[in-house]
Amino acid sequence: SQKIEQNSEALNIQEGKTATLTCNYTNYSPAYLQWYRQDPGRGPVFLLLIRENEKEKRKERLKVTFDTTLKQSLFHITASQPADSATYLCALEGNKLVFGAGTILRVKS
Amino acid sequence: DAGITQSPRHKVTETGTPVTLRCHQTENHRYMYWYRQDPGHGLRLIHYSYGVKDTDKGEVSDGYSVSRSKTEDFLLTLESATSSQTSVYFCAISESETGSNNEQFFGPGTRLTVL
Repeated sequence: SQKIEQNSEALNIQEGKTATLTCNYTNYSPAYLQWYRQDPGRGPVFLLLIRENEKEKRKERLKVTFDTTLKQSLFHITASQPADSATYLCALEGNKLVFGAGTILRVKS
Repeated sequence: DAGITQSPRHKVTETGTPVTLRCHQTENHRYMYWYRQDPGHGLRLIHYSYGVKDTDKGEVSDGYSVSRSKTEDFLLTLESATSSQTSVYFCAISESETGSNNEQFFGPGTRLTVL
């Protein structure tokens, strides 16, 4: 069956470091992969979309990679700040957009 | 929240009662979605709509029905609420269903508790 895996354990990092979040999937061949940010008590907010033929995409301090051979996407936040603390969701486009459960990121000052 | 409102924002109800949640958008997007979010499960699609009066089932549609009589409104109804339907419900909209324009915009959510 189709499965999306994101680290269930929170990622705790120090301010200024690079945060790297992982999204692994099985039994999918998504044409697109998206990343969202969700703050407590709020709806997810779209961050980035990457196509299957793109290896990497950047937006300000954010970078996403998409490896269709490894079936994995990495989401990087460089020079992380406490304001980056949130839950980050990956979403794969199959028949419909399917979301992972998300990884909590905590950036400590 | 991209011109999306949900009402009510919080609701406590009893098992067996009907409940209707409303999603209203001002973006004129064609596609609208209802998700539920539970710890450990992430967002799961309940129903979606691809136009006025055009709806289809998602992954967890049992016990839920939807209606869309106007572009801007998408209603989710729990015909007879059960405790397993206690969750946070999110409405989302998108311009397209697939492709590079299908990023979704989410409402603020409705926290529903069924006692």
